[in-house]
Amino acid sequence: DAGVTQSPTHLIKTRGQQVTLRCSPISGHKSVSWYQQVLGQGPQFIFQYYEKEERGRGNFPDRFSARQFPNYSSELNVNALLLGDSALYLCASSRDGGNLNYGYTFGSGTRLTVV
Amino acid sequence: RKEVEQDPGPFNVPEGATVAFNCTYSNSASQSFFWYRQDCRKEPKLLMSVYSSGNEDGRFTAQLNRASQYISLLIRDSKLSDSATYLCVVNPPGGYQKVTFGTGTKLQVIP
Repeated sequence: DAGVTQSPTHLIKTRGQQVTLRCSPISGHKSVSWYQQVLGQGPQFIFQYYEKEERGRGNFPDRFSARQFPNYSSELNVNALLLGDSALYLCASSRDGGNLNYGYTFGSGTRLTVV
Repeated sequence: RKEVEQDPGPFNVPEGATVAFNCTYSNSASQSFFWYRQDCRKEPKLLMSVYSSGNEDGRFTAQLNRASQYISLLIRDSKLSDSATYLCVVNPPGGYQKVTFGTGTKLQVIP
């Protein structure tokens, strides 16, 4: 079984640009969450989607948006990139929609560098 | 008080040693707890869930102390391959947006 797949693995963008990150969850998992991890910190919650609906949003500006498709894959969009958006962006797949009972499986992440 | 707190370390221990990490949490209504392992520049990987009665998986033992609001991870007979950052994860009520990761405890096992 394929795990959580993310693309691209690495990305370099300039300030002000826009970026789209993609994620496919584990087959059968309907919940996708997005996290941002900067060096030396734990992952910070950005969004959760379940059955194509946004179920949770973290403390990130409106420049961050996401969506989930009928096949449960997801995209994270970040507009007007800032240097501080440089981080590892992790997609997490999970079984349940309302509560994290079984833990996450993470993809290998997209490392975004904004210059 | 931070929602989830971990000692960042590093913990430098010799091979074969026993090492323990604690993670404190602020929300007494938290419902599920996990330990993740993260290697340098890699994604976190689920090590184990933490159950109320405590649970063990090989050399790893996880415990939950609800009265004092902390979880612990004990690693026995440390191996060089155990060197990593260990993240605790706490799931309070209120949905996924409440799931909180600690900043991680770095473990270095020395030959």
